[in-house]
Amino acid sequence: GAVVSQHPSWVICKSGTSVKIECRSLDFQATTMFWYRQFPKQSLMLMATSNEGSKATYEQGVEKDKFLINHASLTLSTLTVTSAHPEDSSFYICSALRGTDTQYFGPGTRLTVL
Amino acid sequence: AQRVTQPEKLLSVFKGAPVELKCNYSYSGSPELFWYVQYSRQRLQLLLRHISRESIKGFTADLNKGETSFHLKKPFAQEEDSAMYYCALRGRSGAGSYQLTFGKGTKLSVIP
Repeated sequence: GAVVSQHPSWVICKSGTSVKIECRSLDFQATTMFWYRQFPKQSLMLMATSNEGSKATYEQGVEKDKFLINHASLTLSTLTVTSAHPEDSSFYICSALRGTDTQYFGPGTRLTVL
Repeated sequence: AQRVTQPEKLLSVFKGAPVELKCNYSYSGSPELFWYVQYSRQRLQLLLRHISRESIKGFTADLNKGETSFHLKKPFAQEEDSAMYYCALRGRSGAGSYQLTFGKGTKLSVIP
């Protein structure tokens, strides 16, 4: 089956620093990847849709300058949390679209901002 | 706007008992519904989708447009079914692209 990886699986950083999270589709090409955020015991909330070679489309309420997304290749999308603060602590999950309608999810990255 | 509602946060059943995880949706267009499952310490994975009309691991789900529901059912629960289950609807996002909207999830606990 299709595999999506995320790196790192967890990260702890100081307030004010930036953190980059990578999402890779290992055995298929994905022109579209999605970034979700999940708070404890809550559902996944879509943050943005990442399209290879073009700008990401952000959902309402998500700060573009805060959460920078780069989808430079068909197998890699990155999410950079800039000037992270404690309220950004969360579980970030990516998914990659295979074909037209099947999403495969990464294992998630737990971010803790001190 | 699209919305997915899973009314039960936690559902506990005994092994061998029937299971029904409820899901209701709100969407103005023609919906595509999915069930995803997340086992302990594992990633989210697709369980089944309504267009396939298939049975996976003994689970089935029927789309009822009249009741706007997509309940997940299994006649005899197994211990290995214990997991978090998310109902999801695929529709157009506020940004115009197709997206999955997830319910809050139901934790199924099968008691031996």
